[in-house]
Amino acid sequence: AQTVTQSQPEMSVQEAETVTLSCTYDTSENNYYLFWYKQPPSRQMILVIRQEAYKQQNATENRFSVNFQKAAKSFSLKISDSQLGDTAMYFCAFMKLTGANSKLTFGKGITLSVRP
Amino acid sequence: GAVVSQHPSWVICKSGTSVKIECRSLDFQATTMFWYRQFPKQSLMLMATSNEGSKATYEQGVEKDKFLINHASLTLSTLTVTSAHPEDSSFYICSARERRGRYTFGSGTRLTVV
Repeated sequence: AQTVTQSQPEMSVQEAETVTLSCTYDTSENNYYLFWYKQPPSRQMILVIRQEAYKQQNATENRFSVNFQKAAKSFSLKISDSQLGDTAMYFCAFMKLTGANSKLTFGKGITLSVRP
Repeated sequence: GAVVSQHPSWVICKSGTSVKIECRSLDFQATTMFWYRQFPKQSLMLMATSNEGSKATYEQGVEKDKFLINHASLTLSTLTVTSAHPEDSSFYICSARERRGRYTFGSGTRLTVV
């Protein structure tokens, strides 16, 4: 079974600064996806970024980038130039590629607060 | 982009009654839908996986008879909370697999049982 660990329950960052959210996972699979989802106060789940495990290059989406370390099973999210709208819960998630109904395994989440 | 419409967004019901939550994929066919439950400040807990035209697969500890899932078409899945009790009060979210590695979430339903 897969597990996803987010050990920091809360973080705070000053607007315009950079923050890194940590995530580690455990799996025996070789092919999988990793995700970061954002859940703002509206509680709508929003995909922030996705990484395919077979790709060595770290995924980037505008101000969001990941540091994917496959051997260490680490998948951290860096948010640059933090904005007030980044205030939300962030969930790291894992999905294996094998199996017909591959489901997402979520970490416990981290609450990020961006201070003005 | 892909959209999953979830209704109602919130519902209050009396203890002992049943409540139905609908999720529709608006611009794609969702052969697989996932139903989650979420408590405040906590992660999403997968309740069940539904495939169009077949019985849902429930996670361990989830009561099949209490949480009835129907996935009758490629665009609609429903979750019915039967004989609801206050402890069933929670936030319920559906998610549809658009294609491999792509999941779209509904906006969630806040259920309060009084």
